[in-house]
Formats: sequence, structure tokens, C-alpha cells
Amino acid sequence: DIVMTQSPDSLAVSLGERATIKCKSSQSVLSSSKNKNYLAWYQHKPGQPPKLLISWASTRESGVPDRFSGSGSGTDFTLTISSLQAGDVAVYYCQQYYHTPRTFGQGTKVEVK
Amino acid sequence: EVQLVESGGGLVQPGGSLRLSCVASGFTFSDHYIDWFRQAPGKGLEWIGRSRDKAASFTADYAASVRGRFTFSRDDSKNSVYLQMNSLKTEDTAVYYCTRLASVGTFPDHWGQGTLVTVSS
Repeated sequence: DIVMTQSPDSLAVSLGERATIKCKSSQSVLSSSKNKNYLAWYQHKPGQPPKLLISWASTRESGVPDRFSGSGSGTDFTLTISSLQAGDVAVYYCQQYYHTPRTFGQGTKVEVK
Repeated sequence: EVQLVESGGGLVQPGGSLRLSCVASGFTFSDHYIDWFRQAPGKGLEWIGRSRDKAASFTADYAASVRGRFTFSRDDSKNSVYLQMNSLKTEDTAVYYCTRLASVGTFPDHWGQGTLVTVSS
């Protein structure tokens, strides 16, 4: 199984400041034939289902604010919230969909400082 | 609007069975794979399996943790997928989510609200 490791486990950021979450996979999730990284980011708030933010490592979903951005390739990925808003408080997960079983990082809890 | 609605959760004793339903609307259900995930209390997200479409002969994949105990079935005429859970263990206690995969072999782009399964004596 591909092991996904996120850092940090939790993060406290002031409103309007940048939040950066790292995700590392135990093996590459880059398809050389398709030149795509099979990596998604989800936002999970209490009492709600996870919400897809970014797919293919850097493609923002429709309706997701542009303060959310994804980057990286191969085994190392980053989710950046450029200017934290109060509504961004949540747990964020990376997920690889390159291999079955699909696996997630352990989650990063983002709070307001 | 794409919607997935799970039902059937509840309290069950260890060793018991439960059947979850996932009813979809707002898209051509028969064209999509459905993945199931769960989240145990205080834990992260876990993939538990996939129900494929008719083009893939309605085959399924299962996580090692549930293989042999959980079974998916699908009724495209009712836009529904079912998760039959047998020989339940306390560690199966979780919120169970059904999801729509955006396309074959990719990621969930829509999630249901989830249904809570509690396995306890």
C-alpha cells in the first residue's frame, strides 16, 4: 500500500496569513504515461462530508476559492492557503488515487491563532 | 445537483449484520463507480471498497480490513448501491460515506453526508 504522510499534524495560523501543508507519498503517484499526479486534497469540517478541493495535485475544483492552491510532483506535494479565513478551519487530507487501496494522509488540523 | 444519500446505519452487536444503502441523484448513476469510505471516531479517512459499473461487470474491490465480511451490490434501476456488512466488529464503528468517482480510476468528487454505524454490546 502507498503510505501518505502529512506534516504538520496541526497548524495554527493568524487570519489573513499563509497556511502550508505538506504531503509525502511512500512511492511516486506520477503516471509517466499520462504525465499526471494522482493526488487529491480534501477539506473536512465537523459534521460535514469531506469536500474535494484539488485534484491532479494542482487542479482546483469549480467553486473553490483561489486562495487554495496545490503543487508538487512525484512523492512530495503541498497545499497552500494563501490567506486564511475563519471558514477554512478544518482538517485537510491528501489522498492518492494511483493505486488501490486508495490511501489518505493522517490529516492536518488547521486552526486560527 | 449531484446528491448521494446513505441510510441504514445504527447500533448493532458484535458479530451482527447491517445493510447500508446509498441512493444517488443528479447524474447518470450507471456511468459511475461508487467508492465507500469510513471514519472511525477520532481517526482519519479509510477507503473500504469500490462498486464498479455495468461496463466493468459490476465487479468490486475491498480493503483488506473488510474483505470477506463486506459485500457491495448495485441496482442501477434504483440508482442505488448497497453495502452488506456481516460479522461486524467493534472496530467497524465509524461514519460510512458513499462517494461518486469523477471518472474511472480517479477520485471522489461528491460525497454523501454519511451514516453512523456503531458496533457495541
